[in-house]
Amino acid sequence: DAKTTQPNSMESNEEEPVHLPCNHSTISGTDYIHWYRQLPSQGPEYVIHGLTSNVNNRMASLAIAEDRKSSTLILHRATLRDAAVYYCIRNSGNTPLVFGKGTRLSVIA
Amino acid sequence: EPEVTQTPSHQVTQMGQEVILRCVPISNHLYFYWYRQILGQKVEFLVSFYNNEISEKSEIFDDQFSVERPDGSNFTLKIRSTKLEDSAMYFCASRYFEGAGGEQYFGPGTRLTVT
Repeated sequence: DAKTTQPNSMESNEEEPVHLPCNHSTISGTDYIHWYRQLPSQGPEYVIHGLTSNVNNRMASLAIAEDRKSSTLILHRATLRDAAVYYCIRNSGNTPLVFGKGTRLSVIA
Repeated sequence: EPEVTQTPSHQVTQMGQEVILRCVPISNHLYFYWYRQILGQKVEFLVSFYNNEISEKSEIFDDQFSVERPDGSNFTLKIRSTKLEDSAMYFCASRYFEGAGGEQYFGPGTRLTVT
């Protein structure tokens, strides 16, 4: 049980921002929110993670709701290379990642 | 940038044969994992390994599976007697951070085809 809820698919135009939502209403206080993505025919790739505060890195931003029951992955300018399945995962400690079906992001040129 | 590598990229074997899938994790990482993904399905956890022993395993990881870190660099997954349903992509991952929140780095995978 992935314990997160994401839309099955989303579509974006190239060069535009993308906001990928995730609900994790039963998240515990020690769970981090991780985002991974899987490009076609590749292994999962780490994108970003956070606990309470919003986070930025070179790939994306993560906005976490104040009650931590939801979060949004933000790709600031989608490129064709960003077309992938994006997974939102709750994870604490050294436990393995539990992947759901994720959101399939299509990017239109 | 350091990366996880896996060999072979594609392995074809006959049912009942033994296969060994190899992984070289990132050198200073402490935790090692195997996941698999059957075509069109979710990525599933198989086993985690820390301090030279299995720390957690899933129901999938039965007696037919074993893992080993023989020489401090390689991390292997052995399937003793392959079944048709073992056909999948197998991903190795490693992680450095000992506490909560550390990210896992995945290899490109080995496609196992059992005929």
